[in-house]
Amino acid sequence: AQSVTQLDSQVPVFEEAPVELRCNYSSSVSVYLFWYVQYPNQGLQLLLKYLSGSTLVESINGFEAEFNKSQTSFHLRKPSVHISDTAEYFCAVSLSGGYQKVTFGTGTKLQVIP
Amino acid sequence: DAGITQSPRYKITETGRQVTLMCHQTWSHSYMFWYRQDLGHGLRLIYYSAAADITDKGEVPDGYVVSRSKTENFPLTLESATRSQTSVYFCASSQGLAFNTGELFFGEGSRLTVL
Repeated sequence: AQSVTQLDSQVPVFEEAPVELRCNYSSSVSVYLFWYVQYPNQGLQLLLKYLSGSTLVESINGFEAEFNKSQTSFHLRKPSVHISDTAEYFCAVSLSGGYQKVTFGTGTKLQVIP
Repeated sequence: DAGITQSPRYKITETGRQVTLMCHQTWSHSYMFWYRQDLGHGLRLIYYSAAADITDKGEVPDGYVVSRSKTENFPLTLESATRSQTSVYFCASSQGLAFNTGELFFGEGSRLTVL
């Protein structure tokens, strides 16, 4: 079975500073990797995903994540955060090849400080 | 509106009572899921369904019952609520195997408090 570890439960960062949210996964087979974002009192929504191909994936609002197979990591980065990025971020993994079950990490709360 | 909707959004009940949380999606997605979200645990899968009349247990199924008589609906029932079931419950859906990427589409959640 696959698993996901998010090493930081909370990450405070000043506005316009860079940020990295860490995610490591464990699986014996090929996986798909995701980052979801949850704004207060809302459901989760997909931020970006890695399925295959280029190991660097980007979102429309400036986040990027890089799939590193040797380190089994999928860290999320943004070079300059905004107040509006304050949210909880969840890393998730599912097995590739047709299996639908998605496993989530415990989440990282990003607090952007003005 | 198209999408996935949950009801009720907020519910307070007492220990021992039966509670049903409703989930409805308009995309005709094959897969539907129920997760619970608790501090320190992230999201944990309760039950999922691959199609109408096909359901299976997730990580934390005890104390919950699901059914799926129609593709668009996936209700979650707590037959005898306990305080440990106080949580935020999320319903999600996903496309079928032909499009499988594991991407989930979430409802806005149902916050349940059991007194």
